[in-house]
Order: sequence, then C-alpha cells, then structure tokens
Amino acid sequence: KQEVTQIPAALSVPEGENLVLNCSFTDSAIYNLQWFRQDPGKGLTSLLLIQSSQREQTSGRLNASLDKSSGRSTLYIAASQPGDSATYLCAVVGTASKLTFGTGTRLQVTL
Amino acid sequence: DVKVTQSSRYLVKRTGEKVFLECVQDMDHENMFWYRQDPGLGLRLIYFSYDVKMKEKGDIPEGYSVSREKKERFSLILESASTNQTSMYLCASSSSGGPYEQYFGPGTRLTVT
Repeated sequence: KQEVTQIPAALSVPEGENLVLNCSFTDSAIYNLQWFRQDPGKGLTSLLLIQSSQREQTSGRLNASLDKSSGRSTLYIAASQPGDSATYLCAVVGTASKLTFGTGTRLQVTL
Repeated sequence: DVKVTQSSRYLVKRTGEKVFLECVQDMDHENMFWYRQDPGLGLRLIYFSYDVKMKEKGDIPEGYSVSREKKERFSLILESASTNQTSMYLCASSSSGGPYEQYFGPGTRLTVT
C-alpha cells in the first residue's frame, strides 16, 4: 500500500527566505505527483503536477522536482511571502487515477 | 478554468438524519471523487466514480453511499448520520485521460450533533 510522508510537519520562516518542502512515497509505480495548497477551512488548490516522465515543473516562484526511483519530491518556494502561509500537501496518483495524500506541511511566513 | 462546486459550505445535521452532499463540475470530467479530511488523519478517499452510474469504494466507504445519475454531478449520501461523520468533505474531479490532475471543490464542513 502506497504511503506518502511529508517533512517537516510545520515550518516557520521569515519573509524573503527560500524554502524546501519534502515529500516521499514508498511505491515508485506512480503516474504523476501533484502539489496542493490549502488555506484554513478551504478546499485544495492545485499548484503543480509532475508527470512520472518529468523531472521538474515550475510556476512562478514555485519549482517542484520528482525523483521517482528514490520516491522523493521537493517543492521549492523562492522569496517567500506572508501570503504563502498555508498547508502544502503532496499526493501521488497510482492505479485507477486515485490520489494518495501526505499529511501536509503547515507553513507560516512571518513579517 | 475548471470549476467544482459543492452545495453547502457548512451543514449541521442531527444524528440519524439522511444527509445529501452535492458536487457539480463543469469540465466534462469522467472521474469524480469524494474525500473526507480529519485532523491527524489527512484526506481519505470515500468513493469514486469513473462514469455515469458507475461507482467504486475507496478506503473508508462504510456508512456512505453515492449516486451519479449525470456526468457533471456526484452526490454523497449519509444514510443515517452519526457523530463520527463530523468532518470536512471534499469533492474532486479529473479527466479519464492522463495526466489525471484532480481539481477540488471548496469543501463542506459537516457537523453531526
């Protein structure tokens, strides 16, 4: 059974800092990996999707990488801002297009 | 942009009531999903559907059923609500062709008293 782990569980950084969120998964037979953002009490917003054949994807200040063979992905956030404060979730797509989620990293960016 | 809407943001029901949670997507997606999210347990898949009138159990289907009569609409039904079904419920949809990117609705916070 696929297991997805995110480290750290919580992170606090000062504004302007670059940061890395980590995601690891136990079964490398995945179709893709998706990173989401969730604000308190809200739904999930898709940030980036990396297909299994890709190594990385970029969107603005966000860059996500995927190393399928080692079962790892990272989400890099450049020049963090207070508006980036949220919970970040990674999820892998396995068989039947179902997502398996990690438990998330709660990020706080302070002024 | 893909839009997934859910019928209610907040819902309060009594134990034993039958509860319907509705989800509608506007992108002609074949796949639709229902999750619940609880602190410390993360998101867990309840049911999903690949097509109209088709449904598959997820990881925690007990106490729930679903209905998909039209492609754009996927309903989650709590036959007899219980307090342990108090949770945030999230609906999602995706295309049946790759890369299977899932799009989520805003969520329904259900409280069963």
